[in-house]
Amino acid sequence: RKEVEQDPGPFNVPEGATVAFNCTYSNSASQSFFWYRQDCRKEPKLLMSVYSSGNEDGRFTAQLNRASQYISLLIRDSKLSDSATYLCVADGGSQGNLIFGKGTKLSVKP
Amino acid sequence: NAGVTQTPKFQVLKTGQSMTLQCAQDMNHNSMYWYRQDPGMGLRLIYYSASEGTTDKGEVPNGYNVSRLNKREFSLRLESAAPSQTSVYFCASSEPGQRGYTFGSGTRLTVV
Repeated sequence: RKEVEQDPGPFNVPEGATVAFNCTYSNSASQSFFWYRQDCRKEPKLLMSVYSSGNEDGRFTAQLNRASQYISLLIRDSKLSDSATYLCVADGGSQGNLIFGKGTKLSVKP
Repeated sequence: NAGVTQTPKFQVLKTGQSMTLQCAQDMNHNSMYWYRQDPGMGLRLIYYSASEGTTDKGEVPNGYNVSRLNKREFSLRLESAAPSQTSVYFCASSEPGQRGYTFGSGTRLTVV
């Protein structure tokens, strides 16, 4: 079974902190990677795609290490509104469907 | 655009009852998916439809059936509900070559 593994947390951090999430994926044939955000009792929403060269969107930076099959998400200057569960996602290779990690819960405190 | 619309939002069933969860998307996507999400288990794929007229089993298809009625609509049917099917059900759609899925707002199902 193809899997995506991530630390479930919770990560409890103060406002303004920098927090890093990591995940690993088992399918070496995976080509597409994403981070999704899921608020409590809401649907998952795409946060950002992850590229081999690394990519940044404001306070968020995503990195991919294909050799280690490792994906990361860095959040700088955490805001209260960043509190959510962050899902690491990889495609299933030839099967094509996305495989979701179980999520890492982040709680940003005042 | 509404995106992906799921109905109903909430449902309580008695064991053995049947029901159909409805999903429709207005983004002209070819692929549609049904997931269930349980505490500690993450999102698990039940069935998917790569294109109109095709459906395939995912990771946890037992106890469910699906119908891809047309390009817009993909329904999930529970023929004889069991308490183990208590979950939050999400429908999603995507287009090959585009990045990521768009999810509906979910159906919270309780089977008693």
